[in-house]
Amino acid sequence: AQSVTQPDIHITVSEGASLELRCNYSYGATPYLFWYVQSPGQGLQLLLKYFSGDTLVQGIKGFEAEFKRSQSSFNLRKPSVHWSDAAEYFCAVVDNNNDMRFGAGTRLTVKP
Amino acid sequence: DGGITQSPKYLFRKEGQNVTLSCEQNLNHDAMYWYRQDPGQGLRLIYYSQIVNDFQKGDIAEGYSVSREKKESFPLTVTSAQKNPTAFYLCASSNTRYEQYFGPGTRLTVT
Repeated sequence: AQSVTQPDIHITVSEGASLELRCNYSYGATPYLFWYVQSPGQGLQLLLKYFSGDTLVQGIKGFEAEFKRSQSSFNLRKPSVHWSDAAEYFCAVVDNNNDMRFGAGTRLTVKP
Repeated sequence: DGGITQSPKYLFRKEGQNVTLSCEQNLNHDAMYWYRQDPGQGLRLIYYSQIVNDFQKGDIAEGYSVSREKKESFPLTVTSAQKNPTAFYLCASSNTRYEQYFGPGTRLTVT
Protein backbone atom coordinates (compact mmCIF):
# COMPACT_ATOMS: atom_id res chain seq x y z
CA ALA A 1 0.00 0.00 0.00
CA GLN A 2 1.10 3.55 -0.64
CA SER A 3 2.28 5.24 2.54
CA VAL A 4 4.30 7.91 4.26
CA THR A 5 6.31 6.64 7.20
CA GLN A 6 7.91 8.61 9.97
CA PRO A 7 9.69 5.89 11.94
CA ASP A 8 10.31 7.97 15.06
CA ILE A 9 7.26 8.85 17.15
CA HIS A 10 9.23 10.92 19.64
CA ILE A 11 12.78 12.31 19.60
CA THR A 12 14.61 14.17 22.34
CA VAL A 13 17.69 16.26 21.60
CA SER A 14 19.72 18.71 23.64
CA GLU A 15 19.62 22.38 22.73
CA GLY A 16 22.46 23.12 20.32
CA ALA A 17 22.69 19.54 19.08
CA SER A 18 21.98 18.53 15.51
CA LEU A 19 18.68 17.03 14.45
CA GLU A 20 17.56 14.61 11.79
CA LEU A 21 13.94 13.52 11.40
CA ARG A 22 13.28 10.63 9.08
CA CYS A 23 10.62 10.27 6.41
CA ASN A 24 10.11 7.45 3.92
CA TYR A 25 7.46 7.30 1.23
CA SER A 26 6.19 4.84 -1.31
CA TYR A 27 4.48 7.08 -3.87
CA GLY A 28 5.43 7.71 -7.46
CA ALA A 29 8.71 8.06 -9.25
CA THR A 30 9.19 11.75 -8.51
CA PRO A 31 6.88 12.72 -5.69
CA TYR A 32 6.15 16.15 -4.36
CA LEU A 33 7.43 16.23 -0.78
CA PHE A 34 6.81 18.53 2.16
CA TRP A 35 7.71 19.07 5.78
CA TYR A 36 5.31 20.87 8.12
CA VAL A 37 5.69 21.88 11.76
CA GLN A 38 2.89 22.11 14.31
CA SER A 39 3.13 23.78 17.71
CA PRO A 40 0.74 22.45 20.38
CA GLY A 41 -2.87 23.35 19.64
CA GLN A 42 -1.96 25.16 16.45
CA GLY A 43 -2.24 24.63 12.73
CA LEU A 44 0.53 23.41 10.47
CA GLN A 45 3.22 25.66 9.04
CA LEU A 46 5.11 24.75 5.89
CA LEU A 47 8.85 24.40 6.54
CA LEU A 48 9.98 23.40 3.06
CA LYS A 49 9.00 21.57 -0.08
CA TYR A 50 10.60 19.59 -2.89
CA PHE A 51 9.16 19.36 -6.39
CA SER A 52 12.21 18.85 -8.60
CA GLY A 53 15.79 19.99 -9.16
CA ASP A 54 18.41 20.24 -6.44
CA THR A 55 17.80 17.42 -4.00
CA LEU A 56 18.90 19.50 -1.00
CA VAL A 57 16.25 22.08 -0.20
CA GLN A 58 16.44 24.90 2.28
CA GLY A 59 13.48 25.95 4.35
CA ILE A 60 12.51 28.42 7.02
CA LYS A 61 13.89 28.51 10.58
CA GLY A 62 17.23 27.02 9.49
CA PHE A 63 15.83 23.66 8.39
CA GLU A 64 16.88 21.72 5.32
CA ALA A 65 15.86 18.39 3.80
CA GLU A 66 17.44 16.03 1.33
CA PHE A 67 15.56 13.98 -1.22
CA LYS A 68 17.16 10.58 -1.84
CA ARG A 69 15.38 8.71 -4.59
CA SER A 70 17.33 5.50 -4.06
CA GLN A 71 16.20 5.34 -0.44
CA SER A 72 12.71 6.82 -0.98
CA SER A 73 13.53 9.24 1.80
CA PHE A 74 13.15 12.94 2.53
CA ASN A 75 14.83 13.51 5.88
CA LEU A 76 14.66 16.84 7.68
CA ARG A 77 17.79 18.25 9.31
CA LYS A 78 18.90 21.18 11.40
CA PRO A 79 22.52 21.73 12.47
CA SER A 80 21.75 23.27 15.86
CA VAL A 81 18.39 22.93 17.57
CA HIS A 82 16.83 25.75 19.57
CA TRP A 83 14.36 25.32 22.42
CA SER A 84 11.70 26.96 20.24
CA ASP A 85 11.98 24.07 17.76
CA ALA A 86 10.09 21.80 20.17
CA ALA A 87 6.96 20.84 18.23
CA GLU A 88 5.48 18.08 16.12
CA TYR A 89 6.82 17.59 12.62
CA PHE A 90 4.91 16.08 9.73
CA CYS A 91 6.21 14.77 6.45
CA ALA A 92 3.73 14.86 3.56
CA VAL A 93 3.66 13.54 0.02
CA VAL A 94 1.32 14.14 -2.89
CA ASP A 95 0.15 10.72 -3.98
CA ASN A 96 -0.75 9.31 -7.38
CA ASN A 97 -4.27 10.77 -7.10
CA ASN A 98 -2.86 14.22 -6.36
CA ASP A 99 -4.01 14.02 -2.74
CA MET A 100 -1.67 15.08 0.05
CA ARG A 101 -0.80 12.24 2.43
CA PHE A 102 0.69 12.88 5.85
CA GLY A 103 2.90 10.79 8.03
CA ALA A 104 1.88 10.16 11.64
CA GLY A 105 4.27 12.82 12.89
CA THR A 106 7.40 13.00 15.05
CA ARG A 107 7.26 14.87 18.32
CA LEU A 108 10.47 16.75 19.11
CA THR A 109 11.45 17.54 22.68
CA VAL A 110 14.42 19.86 23.28
CA LYS A 111 16.37 19.47 26.53
CA PRO A 112 18.03 22.57 27.99
CA ASP B 1 -3.27 40.32 6.72
CA GLY B 2 -4.12 37.29 4.58
CA GLY B 3 -4.85 34.00 6.22
CA ILE B 4 -7.25 31.29 7.30
CA THR B 5 -9.46 31.63 10.33
CA GLN B 6 -11.25 28.84 12.14
CA SER B 7 -13.79 29.39 14.84
CA PRO B 8 -14.28 28.62 17.56
CA LYS B 9 -10.94 27.35 18.88
CA TYR B 10 -12.69 25.03 21.37
CA LEU B 11 -16.13 23.55 20.95
CA PHE B 12 -18.09 21.33 23.30
CA ARG B 13 -21.22 19.44 22.36
CA LYS B 14 -23.44 16.74 23.72
CA GLU B 15 -23.65 13.44 21.91
CA GLY B 16 -26.45 13.39 19.33
CA GLN B 17 -26.13 17.05 18.39
CA ASN B 18 -24.93 18.32 15.03
CA VAL B 19 -22.21 20.97 15.17
CA THR B 20 -20.79 23.26 12.47
CA LEU B 21 -17.15 24.34 12.35
CA SER B 22 -16.32 27.53 10.55
CA CYS B 23 -13.45 28.07 8.09
CA GLU B 24 -12.83 31.35 6.28
CA GLN B 25 -9.93 32.38 4.06
CA ASN B 26 -8.98 35.68 2.45
CA LEU B 27 -6.10 34.32 0.39
CA ASN B 28 -8.26 34.12 -2.74
CA HIS B 29 -7.51 30.41 -2.94
CA ASP B 30 -9.73 28.21 -5.09
CA ALA B 31 -9.30 25.00 -3.12
CA MET B 32 -10.19 24.29 0.50
CA TYR B 33 -9.81 21.19 2.64
CA TRP B 34 -10.91 19.72 5.96
CA TYR B 35 -8.70 17.34 7.91
CA ARG B 36 -9.17 15.47 11.12
CA GLN B 37 -6.20 14.97 13.45
CA ASP B 38 -6.04 12.31 16.13
CA PRO B 39 -3.01 11.57 18.29
CA GLY B 40 -0.50 9.32 16.55
CA GLN B 41 -2.42 9.26 13.26
CA GLY B 42 -1.35 12.35 11.40
CA LEU B 43 -3.96 14.16 9.32
CA ARG B 44 -6.79 12.44 7.50
CA LEU B 45 -8.75 14.12 4.72
CA ILE B 46 -12.49 14.53 5.33
CA TYR B 47 -13.67 16.66 2.39
CA TYR B 48 -12.17 19.00 -0.15
CA SER B 49 -13.47 21.55 -2.60
CA GLN B 50 -11.64 22.79 -5.66
CA ILE B 51 -14.27 25.28 -6.75
CA VAL B 52 -17.39 26.98 -5.44
CA ASN B 53 -20.48 24.76 -5.35
CA ASP B 54 -18.43 21.60 -5.77
CA PHE B 55 -16.81 19.32 -3.21
CA GLN B 56 -15.47 15.80 -2.98
CA LYS B 57 -15.31 13.20 -0.23
CA GLY B 58 -11.96 12.38 1.28
CA ASP B 59 -10.93 9.25 3.12
CA ILE B 60 -13.18 9.64 6.16
CA ALA B 61 -16.27 11.56 4.99
CA GLU B 62 -18.86 9.40 6.77
CA GLY B 63 -20.71 11.39 9.41
CA TYR B 64 -19.59 14.75 8.02
CA SER B 65 -21.06 17.23 5.55
CA VAL B 66 -19.80 20.42 3.93
CA SER B 67 -20.94 23.27 1.71
CA ARG B 68 -19.07 25.70 -0.52
CA GLU B 69 -21.42 28.54 -1.39
CA LYS B 70 -18.69 31.19 -1.34
CA LYS B 71 -15.04 31.04 -2.34
CA GLU B 72 -13.99 32.31 1.08
CA SER B 73 -15.95 29.89 3.22
CA PHE B 74 -16.01 26.11 3.67
CA PRO B 75 -17.98 25.12 6.80
CA LEU B 76 -17.88 21.55 8.11
CA THR B 77 -20.84 19.98 9.89
CA VAL B 78 -20.15 17.08 12.22
CA THR B 79 -23.38 15.14 12.35
CA SER B 80 -24.71 12.82 15.00
CA ALA B 81 -23.88 9.94 12.64
CA GLN B 82 -20.16 10.45 13.24
CA LYS B 83 -19.29 7.69 15.68
CA ASN B 84 -16.25 9.28 17.29
CA PRO B 85 -16.32 13.03 16.66
CA THR B 86 -13.96 14.20 19.39
CA ALA B 87 -10.83 15.36 17.56
CA PHE B 88 -8.80 18.33 16.36
CA TYR B 89 -10.10 19.67 13.03
CA LEU B 90 -7.91 21.57 10.61
CA CYS B 91 -8.96 23.58 7.60
CA ALA B 92 -6.56 24.37 4.77
CA SER B 93 -6.62 26.20 1.47
CA SER B 94 -4.44 26.25 -1.62
CA ASN B 95 -4.16 27.70 -5.07
CA THR B 96 -2.38 24.63 -6.33
CA ARG B 97 -2.98 21.07 -5.32
CA TYR B 98 0.47 20.89 -3.82
CA GLU B 99 0.93 23.64 -1.30
CA GLN B 100 -1.64 23.98 1.42
CA TYR B 101 -1.94 26.67 4.06
CA PHE B 102 -3.54 25.71 7.37
CA GLY B 103 -5.78 27.44 9.83
CA PRO B 104 -5.21 27.28 13.61
CA GLY B 105 -7.68 24.43 14.12
CA THR B 106 -10.79 23.74 16.20
CA ARG B 107 -10.75 21.23 19.03
CA LEU B 108 -14.15 19.53 19.26
CA THR B 109 -15.12 17.59 22.35
CA VAL B 110 -18.33 15.58 22.35
CA THR B 111 -19.55 14.08 25.61
